[in-house]
Formats: sequence, structure tokens, C-alpha cells
Amino acid sequence: EVQLVESGGGLVQPGGSLRLSCAASGFTFSSYEMNWVRQAPGKGLEWVSYISSSGSTIYYADSVKGRFTISRDNAKNSLYLQMNSLRAEDTAVYYCARIAVAGLDWGQGTLVTVSS
Amino acid sequence: DIQMTQSPSSLSASVGDRVTITCRASQSISSYLNWYQQKPGKAPKLLIYAASSLQSGVPSRFSGSGSGTDFTLTISSLQPEDFATYYCQQSYSHPSYTFGQGTKLEIK
Repeated sequence: EVQLVESGGGLVQPGGSLRLSCAASGFTFSSYEMNWVRQAPGKGLEWVSYISSSGSTIYYADSVKGRFTISRDNAKNSLYLQMNSLRAEDTAVYYCARIAVAGLDWGQGTLVTVSS
Repeated sequence: DIQMTQSPSSLSASVGDRVTITCRASQSISSYLNWYQQKPGKAPKLLIYAASSLQSGVPSRFSGSGSGTDFTLTISSLQPEDFATYYCQQSYSHPSYTFGQGTKLEIK
């Protein structure tokens, strides 16, 4: 069974940093491309970042480019999102999502709140 | 960027009703369209992939159709557990996937 478990969310002040982690199990992590997707409170889903299976190809949404860094450690079956210069508008539940042949497989999400 | 527009944004219906939700892409996306169901406090759940393929384990009352720019999700006979928010998502412009704004399905 595919399992994706996010961690690292919490309350952070504007301008601060946070690192999210996603622990993967139940599949060969190194064979799959991964995404981060977020959802602000009461809002829709927003794609944030993509990383290829090897980590060699990376993309970001314009809203986070230059502030967020996606990475992965295939030996540890883990995906990461380093978030710097956080803003109030980054407040959201952050999901890691596996890109499967049939759509996305999702973790349960971790809440990031940016507030003073 | 490809924009995805869902209609309606919200919908009230009764158990047993037939419901249709529409998703329109700003350019042709062939059949690269997925549908998800999301309940409060939960992650989205895949219902339909490639516009019309039913994900394993999803009840057959859910169906999808369309190609190009216009797509529909149909629930043939609403059940109490179907009241949720539904999102379409294009996977044509990999990996910059975009989602529709969501359709909230409420009990009448």
C-alpha cells in the first residue's frame, strides 16, 4: 500500500523558514516523480513544486520560485520542501503527492501557518 | 499556463439525484484530465483518470467523459457519502499541473 506521511509543519513568523518532509513507503520511491501541492484554508488546490525521480529536474510555481527548494533522498525514501522567506499567503496545508500513471497519490498533509 | 474552470462552484442536490459537474480547459488537453473528491480535513481522493477511466475501488455511479477542452463528471445516483468538494486537474502540461477551483456538493 502506498503511504506518504508529511511532517514539519507548524507556526512560523513572516520571513521565517520551515522544512517539510515526506516519508514514502509501499512503493519504489526512486522510480517516481513527486510533487508538493498546497491548499490555503477554505481554498482550492495549488501545485507548488515538482522533482523528477532522480532529482535532476525541478520546477516551481511562480508564487514560490526563489523562496522554496524541493529535494529528495532516494536512499531514505524521503521528499523535502525547504521554505524560506515565508509570507502570510503561504499559510496552507502542504501535501506531498506521487505522480502515478493514474493521477496523483496523496499524503495526509501538514499545516503551515505563517503569522506573527 | 493552462487554466481550468469548473462549473458550478457549488451545487445543492438530494440523495438519489443525478449530478453533473463541468470542467473546461483554456486550451486542448486531449484526455489528460483527472477528477478528485475531497472531504473536510482529508486529502483529495482520485476518482477518475484520463477523463473517463474509473479508479479501482471507486463506485460505478461515478463516471467521466470529454476530451479536448470540455469534460464532465457525473454521479448517477447521489449517496450520502458523496457530499464533498470535487476538483478537476489537468496533467497535460506536465509537471505544472493545474486544478479547477472546485465544486462543493451540498445536501439540499
